Amino acid sequence: QKEVEQNSGPLSVPEGAIASLNCTYSDRGSQSFFWYRQYSGKSPELIMSIYSNGDKEDGRFTAQLNKASQYVSLLIRDSQPSDSATYLCALLPGGSEKLVFGKGTKLTVNP
Amino acid sequence: DAGVIQSPRHEVTEMGQEVTLRCKPISGHNSLFWYRQTMMRGLELLIYFNNNVPIDDSGMPEDRFSAKMPNASFSTLKIQPSEPRDSAVYFCASSFGASGADTQYFGPGTRLTVL
Repeated sequence: QKEVEQNSGPLSVPEGAIASLNCTYSDRGSQSFFWYRQYSGKSPELIMSIYSNGDKEDGRFTAQLNKASQYVSLLIRDSQPSDSATYLCALLPGGSEKLVFGKGTKLTVNP
Repeated sequence: DAGVIQSPRHEVTEMGQEVTLRCKPISGHNSLFWYRQTMMRGLELLIYFNNNVPIDDSGMPEDRFSAKMPNASFSTLKIQPSEPRDSAVYFCASSFGASGADTQYFGPGTRLTVL
């Protein structure tokens, strides 16, 4: 069973719309959750981290965590073409210091 | 700050050859991570070091893979002998602290092709 599941996409949204990216995980002991953005041919870059249930907002980005349902999501408001990238969900399984990544969701924002 | 530096950026080799990938972490960072990324398996942690000491190498796929960190500013990942299934992008990352929750900064990666 994969530890971190993401829809591979591609997810296509028009410019200005809200993009919603979702991630589910299997380890109930996971405490720390992260969203990385990876542009094509580039390296991953951390954009959000979340540790508690609820929402965490940073500019146009909102991370949402629901530990009871074992999902974490990333909302991107007012999507821009520059947001087009693959978004990787990552977490620390309980008792581990090793990040586990999902395979990512490719997002395309159309002008 | 120059960020994490990796070399070479691209490597094409033939099956059976030895491959050495190099990484210079961000100065002052205490932890260093080696990842491999493929379409099939995504981004996988191979090994990580803290204060130059290997902490967990359970992600290293087999004995053909080895990694060293002789000092705080240099690490190598070696594959000997290489096989076509080793073709992937290999990333090195570093972080300031010892926790996996500390922000990891990734290098540009080395794209390895084994023919």
